[in-house]
Amino acid sequence: DTGVSQDPRHKITKRGQNVTFRCDPISEHNRLYWYRQTLGQGPEFLTYFQNEAQLEKSRLLSDRFSAERPKGSFSTLEIQRTEQGDSAMYLCASSFPQTVNYGYTFGSGTRLTVV
Amino acid sequence: EDQVTQSPEALRLQEGESSSLNCSYTVSGLRGLFWYRQDPGKGPEFLFTLYSAGEEKEKERLKATLTKKESFLHITAPKPEDSATYLCAVQARNTPLVFGKGTRLSVIA
Repeated sequence: DTGVSQDPRHKITKRGQNVTFRCDPISEHNRLYWYRQTLGQGPEFLTYFQNEAQLEKSRLLSDRFSAERPKGSFSTLEIQRTEQGDSAMYLCASSFPQTVNYGYTFGSGTRLTVV
Repeated sequence: EDQVTQSPEALRLQEGESSSLNCSYTVSGLRGLFWYRQDPGKGPEFLFTLYSAGEEKEKERLKATLTKKESFLHITAPKPEDSATYLCAVQARNTPLVFGKGTRLSVIA
């Protein structure tokens, strides 16, 4: 297992278009998280799944955002009708909370630019 | 609401010049405090988890400590390859990590 994979690494889209990002977590990890990070800021929580169940969504997650994790494996994050304010790095992480000294393992992120 | 404040925002050190980064936190029922390193254009890389006041963890030139209100990341004799943004995060029980804004460290040869 090579860690958490995110695709694509970079995405440039025109305002108003829809975009979808994919995250493949570490296979043994049952929790998957989405965060958003803008320049000079720390990651901000968006939503997370335990297996296939979406357990929590941040107030930051407007109705234009939707996330899924079918069958508890990979996850997708879709943004509809993108706005310039959506430009950010979208980070995915996974974890297995039952392990000692657990920490989230992050992917390299998808950088979204809305023009 | 859980909060994390990191200081300074940016730190510039000469190679070999030791220093400390600060992470102050407010959280209800701390489950763990986490330190991450983030290089430009990459995701955060896990460094340490601290669970209770008085706990210390070390890794190479880095040492993390924890009190009831703050954590310090001590960097001893840093090298240019230690240049990165260091992120602190806290977790309350059964909630996702809450991150600070990070400290951008530059180590000059």
